[in-house]
Amino acid sequence: DGGITQSPKYLFRKEGQNVTLSCEQNLNHDAMYWYRQDPGQGLRLIYYSQIVNDFQKGDIAEGYSVSREKKESFPLTVTSAQKNPTAFYLCASSFGAERGETQYFGPGTRLLVL
Amino acid sequence: DQQVKQNSPSLSVQEGRISILNCDYTNSMFDYFLWYKKYPAEGPTFLISISSIKDKNEDGRFTVFLNKSAKHLSLHIVPSQPGDSAVYFCAASAGNNNDMRFGAGTRLTVKP
Repeated sequence: DGGITQSPKYLFRKEGQNVTLSCEQNLNHDAMYWYRQDPGQGLRLIYYSQIVNDFQKGDIAEGYSVSREKKESFPLTVTSAQKNPTAFYLCASSFGAERGETQYFGPGTRLLVL
Repeated sequence: DQQVKQNSPSLSVQEGRISILNCDYTNSMFDYFLWYKKYPAEGPTFLISISSIKDKNEDGRFTVFLNKSAKHLSLHIVPSQPGDSAVYFCAASAGNNNDMRFGAGTRLTVKP
């Protein structure tokens, strides 16, 4: 089955800890994205990558880091510098980043701070 | 600032009737609009889109209307079915996918 997967479904972070959210796709998509959703707000773009070994900051990149070493994988690290990490995180991918290229979303990871 | 707003957090409709979900935007540069549907425990899935050169796009039971002068778009579902119960997100873009702006979503419940 082709698709995009995220793990874990729930993740707990202690104060001062870095945590990494996984995103994998087997759709052969070049572009991948990370979004954050907070209650009552729309999805906000954290980082995106249009091709392997390249990524760009989105609107709210502070306190986050990413890597794109493989086409299939785009992990997101929530660092201790992110002071308000509790949110629902969605990963997406598309064939290209151009308008009209449909984004396919994973099921999301909910991050909670202990 | 929220450039895309869905002012109704929830909507309840009887099966067989019309569902109308609304979305307003503030950025006049937006020229491509989309609707996504999200079921619990799943990611959003693309439903329908419209370019600003059109004012209507139809796909089966789903029709999106765009009113550029009012900066408003709506999604009509006719007839509504219980399987349509989901959260619907409106999105708008002035460029590529990395410029996409999303609304907060409207939860639609279709009652049998």
